[in-house]
Amino acid sequence: EDQVTQSPEALRLQEGESSSLNCSYTVSGLRGLFWYRQDPGKGPEFLFTLYSAGEEKEKERLKATLTKKESFLHITAPKPEDSATYLCAVQGDDMRFGAGTRLTVKP
Amino acid sequence: ETGVTQSPTHLIKTRGQQVTLRCSSQSGHNTVSWYQQALGQGPQFIFQYYREEENGRGNFPPRFSGLQFPNYSSELNVNALELDDSALYLCASSSPGGDFATEAFFGQGTRLTVV
Repeated sequence: EDQVTQSPEALRLQEGESSSLNCSYTVSGLRGLFWYRQDPGKGPEFLFTLYSAGEEKEKERLKATLTKKESFLHITAPKPEDSATYLCAVQGDDMRFGAGTRLTVKP
Repeated sequence: ETGVTQSPTHLIKTRGQQVTLRCSSQSGHNTVSWYQQALGQGPQFIFQYYREEENGRGNFPPRFSGLQFPNYSSELNVNALELDDSALYLCASSSPGGDFATEAFFGQGTRLTVV
C-alpha cells in the first residue's frame, strides 16, 4: 500500500536557523511528489512538484529534493512568515498525503 | 484567472442528516478531487472526477458521493452523517497530466461539524 511519512511532526526554529523537513514514501509507480504549505484553517498552497530522483526545485528560501525513497524540503534562513504546516504528497494510483510537519519560526 | 472556490465555508449538521458541499474549479481545469482533513492530519483522498465521470476513489463508504457538472464545478454529498465526519473538506482542481501528475490547486475548504 502506498505510504507517506513526514518527520519531524513539529519543528521550532529561530529566525535564520536553517533546517530540513523529511518525507519518506513507498509508492507503486510514482507519477509525482508534491510539497504544499498549509496555514491554519486554509487549504494547502502548492509549492513544488518533483518527478524523478535527483531532481531539485527552488523558490525563495525553500528547496525541494527527491531520491527514490524520500524527499527533503530545505529551509534556508527562515523568517517568521514561513511558519506553517508543510505537507508532502505522492501521486501513484491516487494522491496520498503525509500528516505534515508543523513549522514554527521564532523572531 | 479565478481560483478554486468552495461553499459554504462553515456548516453545522446533526448526526443522520445529509449535506452537500460545492466547489468551482479553477479556470481551464477539468479534473476535480475531494479530500477530507481531520484535525492534525493530512488530507485523505475521497474521490476524483474527470469530465463528469468518477475517475478514482479512496477508502470511503458509498454514503460519500459526488457529481461533476459540464462547467467542471462539483458537489460532494454525504448521507447519514456521523460524528466522525466532522472535518475540513477540501476541493482541488487540476489538469490531467497523463503519465505524470500535475499540481492540484486547493480551495479554502468547508469546515463541517456534526453534532
